[in-house]
Amino acid sequence: GAVVSQHPSWVICKSGTSVKIECRSLDFQATTMFWYRQFPKQSLMLMATSNEGSKATYEQGVEKDKFLINHASLTLSTLTVTSAHPEDSSFYICSASGDYYEQYFGPGTRLTVT
Amino acid sequence: GQQLNQSPQSMFIQEGEDVSMNCTSSSIFNTWLWYKQDPGEGPVLLIALYKAGELTSNGRLTAQFGITRKDSFLNISASIPSDVGIYFCAGQRASGSRLTFGEGTQLTVNP
Repeated sequence: GAVVSQHPSWVICKSGTSVKIECRSLDFQATTMFWYRQFPKQSLMLMATSNEGSKATYEQGVEKDKFLINHASLTLSTLTVTSAHPEDSSFYICSASGDYYEQYFGPGTRLTVT
Repeated sequence: GQQLNQSPQSMFIQEGEDVSMNCTSSSIFNTWLWYKQDPGEGPVLLIALYKAGELTSNGRLTAQFGITRKDSFLNISASIPSDVGIYFCAGQRASGSRLTFGEGTQLTVNP
């Protein structure tokens, strides 16, 4: 089956610093990648949609200058949380979609901002 | 953003029992998907449904795409302890487009 990886799996950073999270599709070409955040005991909330070579489309209420998304190739998308604050602490999950309907999710990245 | 109405919110059952959960929407989706999420991990796709009325099985799991395209259910037969987790339904309107998620069903299986 399709495999999506994320790196790192967890990260702790200090308030005010930036953190980059990578999402890779390992065995298929992902024309579209999605970034979600999930708070404890809640569902996944879509942050942005990115297509390879295009600017990401952000959901309402998501600051594009704070959450920088780059989808430079058909197998890699990155999310950079800039000037992180404690309230940015969350579980960030990416998904990738290729030629078919299904979206395959990465294992998630736990971000803790101290 | 918009979410699907998923019920029940949580279930506590004995090992061996059957489980049923469902999702409803006020609008039509062309694809319904069911995912399972274990703690600290990403969701894993269980079943994908592409046609209204479609009934699909994956082992002990059976899911149906409602005929109105506004609902779907997931059944788990003969539950086992490793079925524990959160189950999410998701609707999708077009290939490659965004998913709309349900609120999730937390399943606990007592051995």
